[in-house]
Amino acid sequence: KAGVTQTPRYLIKTRGQQVTLSCSPISGHRSVSWYQQTPGQGLQFLFEYFSETQRNKGNFPGRFSGRQFSNSRSEMNVSTLELGDSALYLCASSLFFRVLPSPLHFGNGTRLTVT
Amino acid sequence: KNEVEQSPQNLTAQEGEFITINCSYSVGISALHWLQQHPGGGIVSLFMLSSGKKKHGRLIATINIQEKHSSLHITASHPRDSAVYICAVRSARDGGSQGNLIFGKGTKLSVKP
Repeated sequence: KAGVTQTPRYLIKTRGQQVTLSCSPISGHRSVSWYQQTPGQGLQFLFEYFSETQRNKGNFPGRFSGRQFSNSRSEMNVSTLELGDSALYLCASSLFFRVLPSPLHFGNGTRLTVT
Repeated sequence: KNEVEQSPQNLTAQEGEFITINCSYSVGISALHWLQQHPGGGIVSLFMLSSGKKKHGRLIATINIQEKHSSLHITASHPRDSAVYICAVRSARDGGSQGNLIFGKGTKLSVKP
């Protein structure tokens, strides 16, 4: 069974640009969540989707947005990039959301550098 | 004060030693996750706990819901266990649905041969 796939692996953008990252969950998983990891703040929760609906949202500005498609694939978008957005962005998929907590399966991440 | 506190932040051990990493949290939770991250970024889920104790190979995870505390133990540590270990809690919302994931800062473990 294929794991969680994130594309692209590396990305370099300029301040003010926007970026879209993609996450394909494990087949059959319907929940996808996104995280930002920086050396200073560690791992922080961005948002979580289940059945194409955002179920939870972390404490990030509105420049960070996401969506989930009917095949459970998810994208996140960051608009008007700032230098501080440079980070490793990770997504994770899990089988369930509402019924029971489920183990998380992480992708390898997208490393975004903003110059 | 962070909602999830891990200790120690850094840990150096000799191969074969018994290792304990602690995690304390201050919110109501539906589950607690222990994660392992090797250099290069990949994160692996080691355990998900709602109560009691789980064991997988040389790794043991325990949780005390009343005391809001969890421990990750590594028996007979090996250099390949060198990694960052991260505790994360799934907060519980009113009505029983699952809330956000809140992460500890991680424990960097280095096991020397």
